[in-house]
Amino acid sequence: QKEVEQDPGPLSVPEGAIVSLNCTYSNSAFQYFMWYRQYSRKGPELLMYTYSSGNKEDGRFTAQVDKSSKYISLFIRDSQPSDSATYLCAMSGETSGSRLTFGEGTQLTVNP
Amino acid sequence: GAVVSQHPSWVICKSGTSVKIECRSLDFQATTMFWYRQFPKQSLMLMATSNEGSKATYEQGVEKDKFLINHASLTLSTLTVTSAHPEDSSFYICSTEAGQGVHNEQFFGPGTRLTVL
Repeated sequence: QKEVEQDPGPLSVPEGAIVSLNCTYSNSAFQYFMWYRQYSRKGPELLMYTYSSGNKEDGRFTAQVDKSSKYISLFIRDSQPSDSATYLCAMSGETSGSRLTFGEGTQLTVNP
Repeated sequence: GAVVSQHPSWVICKSGTSVKIECRSLDFQATTMFWYRQFPKQSLMLMATSNEGSKATYEQGVEKDKFLINHASLTLSTLTVTSAHPEDSSFYICSTEAGQGVHNEQFFGPGTRLTVL
């Protein structure tokens, strides 16, 4: 079983839709949770960084962490064609330092 | 966030040759850098952790004699793929750790696409 599970998609939505991306994990030691956006043939770009449980909002993006369920989400409101990319969740624990464990990534297409 | 560059952005080489990829931290001094490999439609797999002035720490299953890492300065880490073979063709990405805490944000370079013929 993978430590981090993420539905690879692909996910296709119309412009303006609310997008929900999710990851589950099995390692209860994970404390730091991140979402990265990766455009084709580019390096990942950090979108959201959260510590422990709770919500964090930044513009059209909201990250949620539910440690009791080992479940994290990223919501994108008013999705735009420029949001079309692969979204990767990543996480790490107190003892792993900055070593990240990534999900498989979800490929998102927002259609105009 | 931190700015990380990689060079070259893409490279094509013949089987059996060696290829060097550079990772530079442009706006801060990076004690630690990470090297990842990403195959098409797959996630990033950590290959090794590069520490300035010391030997790199390799992940299980990664051949340290094949993937040579040098982190000689606080702004530059290099990955050399020795005796490259077609199965080494992949997208190689580095990242730097920004901060001095126990856990710090990672910022990624743009990646280097290696094709071995």
